[in-house]
Amino acid sequence: AQSVTQPDIHITVSEGASLELRCNYSYGATPYLFWYVQSPGQGLQLLLKYFSGDTLVQGIKGFEAEFKRSQSSFNLRKPSVHWSDAAEYFCAVGPPYSGGGADGLTFGKGTHLIIQP
Amino acid sequence: ETGVTQTPRHLVMGMTNKKSLKCEQHLGHNAMYWYKQSAKKPLELMFVYSLEERVENNSVPSRFSPECPNSSHLFLHLHTLQPEDSALYLCASSQREGLGPLHFGNGTRLTVT
Repeated sequence: AQSVTQPDIHITVSEGASLELRCNYSYGATPYLFWYVQSPGQGLQLLLKYFSGDTLVQGIKGFEAEFKRSQSSFNLRKPSVHWSDAAEYFCAVGPPYSGGGADGLTFGKGTHLIIQP
Repeated sequence: ETGVTQTPRHLVMGMTNKKSLKCEQHLGHNAMYWYKQSAKKPLELMFVYSLEERVENNSVPSRFSPECPNSSHLFLHLHTLQPEDSALYLCASSQREGLGPLHFGNGTRLTVT
């Protein structure tokens, strides 16, 4: 069965500092990988996705993520965070046939990002 | 209006009440979903509708009853809920085929007293 682990429940970063949020997955083959963000009082918004090809993917709001097959990881990064990045971040994995729809999509428990002034 | 819209944003109901959550999508998608989001737990997929047919029901108690009258609208009918059903209920839509990801509404915060 597939699973997703986000090891950090909370992360605190100073505004302007760099950010890396960790995501590890367990899956028999290379899955489809996603990062979603949830701001307070809102639903989830897709930041970026990896299906195949270049292992470094660019997303919205200046985020990027790198797929490392050898480490079964898909960590999210941003070179310089802004106060508006404070939110909950969810990593998700799905089977290659899923196309990112909900079928077979598994979400991690999320990482709560706190930005210090 | 664009995107996925959920109403109401907040709902407080007693255990004997009957209420409904509504979701509407304006993205031309052909699949719609209900998720439950509880604190400290991963997102739980409750129901999946594709082309207005229910294709998945993940062992959800019968006190939750979904309805999808057309590809743009999705309802979740609630009756005789329990306090542990208090959570954020999220609606999402996507294209069933291809590489379309999920688009979420802002959710309904449900409190069962």
